[in-house]
Amino acid sequence: AQSVSQHNHHVILSEAASLELGCNYSYGGTVNLFWYVQYPGQHLQLLLKYFSGDPLVKGIKGFEAEFIKSKFSFNLRKPSVQWSDTAEYFCAVRAGNMLTFGGGTRLMVKP
Amino acid sequence: DVKVTQSSRYLVKRTGEKVFLECVQDMDHENMFWYRQDPGLGLRLIYFSYDVKMKEKGDIPEGYSVSREKKERFSLILESASTNQTSMYLCASSLSQIPSNYGYTFGSGTRLTVV
Repeated sequence: AQSVSQHNHHVILSEAASLELGCNYSYGGTVNLFWYVQYPGQHLQLLLKYFSGDPLVKGIKGFEAEFIKSKFSFNLRKPSVQWSDTAEYFCAVRAGNMLTFGGGTRLMVKP
Repeated sequence: DVKVTQSSRYLVKRTGEKVFLECVQDMDHENMFWYRQDPGLGLRLIYFSYDVKMKEKGDIPEGYSVSREKKERFSLILESASTNQTSMYLCASSLSQIPSNYGYTFGSGTRLTVV
């Protein structure tokens, strides 16, 4: 069975700082990769996804992620965070019909 | 847009009660899922269903059962609620296995407290 690891449980940044959230997965076959975001009091929303092609994918709100197959990684990045990016971020890997989530990273951006 | 509706936003139940959590989706999705979300543990799959009357155990099915009598509705049942089942429960649905799938669509969640 696949597993997904997010290395940072809590991240605190000041506005305008750069963000990188790590995500590694363990699965040898073809996968689809996702990042979801959950803003306080809201439900999970899709931030970006990778299926094939260019390993650098761009999502909403200035986020991007890079798929590095050799490292089984799909790290999320944003050059300059805003206070409104305060949320919990989940990496997910889909193999077949099942989507497996990482443990989540809580990001707090100080104004 | 696909809508996934969970009937209750907050529930408080007593230990030993039988609890039903309901989820309805309106886009004819074949696959439906129940997750629980706990701090530091992310989302863990309880059960999923890929067709009416079909169900598969996820990673943590103990203490739960599910029912899918109609395509649009997927119910999670806590046979005898216990305090360790206090959690946020999320329902999700998705299209069948096609390359252009856009991941899952989630409901807004049901926060269950068992006292």
